[in-house]
Amino acid sequence: GAGVSQSPRYKVAKRGQDVALRCDPISGHVSLFWYQQALGQGPEFLTYFQNEAQLDKSGLPSDRFFAERPEGSVSTLKIQRTQQEDSAVYLCASSPRGILDTQYFGPGTRLTVL
Amino acid sequence: GESVGLHLPTLSVQEGDNSIINCAYSNSASDYFIWYKQESGKGPQFIIDIRSNMDKRQGQRVTVLLNKTVKHLSLQIAATQPGDSAVYFCAENPPSILTGGGNKLTFGTGTQLKVEL
Repeated sequence: GAGVSQSPRYKVAKRGQDVALRCDPISGHVSLFWYQQALGQGPEFLTYFQNEAQLDKSGLPSDRFFAERPEGSVSTLKIQRTQQEDSAVYLCASSPRGILDTQYFGPGTRLTVL
Repeated sequence: GESVGLHLPTLSVQEGDNSIINCAYSNSASDYFIWYKQESGKGPQFIIDIRSNMDKRQGQRVTVLLNKTVKHLSLQIAATQPGDSAVYFCAENPPSILTGGGNKLTFGTGTQLKVEL
C-alpha cells in the first residue's frame, strides 16, 4: 500500500523566497505531523493536525512558518522569506488516530536556502 | 546519499553479533516510547514500540527494554545483518497539556550502527 509521500524531494531557494512543501498522508489517517531535521540531529516537532484542525503548533520556530490541512488530508508547510537557518529536511508523518499511535514517516523534503 | 549520521555516536558490530543501542529519555511522565531506524536519504522507519506499563517487548529479531527508574531505553538487535546499518533514534511521547495526551514525539540524538562483514 502507499505510504506517506512528500514533494518536492529537494528544494533549493534563495534567501528571502517563499517555499511550499506538500505532504500526502496515508489514506484515512486522522493525524498528521510535521518535523524538522537538521543534519546529524533527530527530528524536531513542528506542528500537529487532527483532521483539519491544527491542535498544536508549538514547535513552529517563527511566524514565517505556516501549515495547513484544509480538507483533513493533504497538508502544506509554507515558509515565508526563507533564511539560511531554515535549511533542513522537513519530514511529514501520519498516524491512524493520534495519541499514543504509531507515526509513519515520509521520505522528507530537503530544503537548502542559499 | 548524504549521511544523517554525521557527528553521531557510532556502534560498530560484526555481522551475526548482537547489537545493543542505548537511549536516555528526558520526561518521566512520558508513557509511550518508540525506536526508529533511519537510512540515508529516507524518513524514519518504525521498528518497535513500548508503553510505560511494560518493561520489555519483543519483535522479530528486536527487543526493547524500558527502565523507568533511570529513564533508560535500549534496543537489542539479534544476529545483526548488513541491512541493519543505519541511524537509530529513540523517541518518547510526553503528555501534552493542550490535548490532554501526547501528540508529538521527542527524539533522542541518534546512534549510527555500522555492521562490519
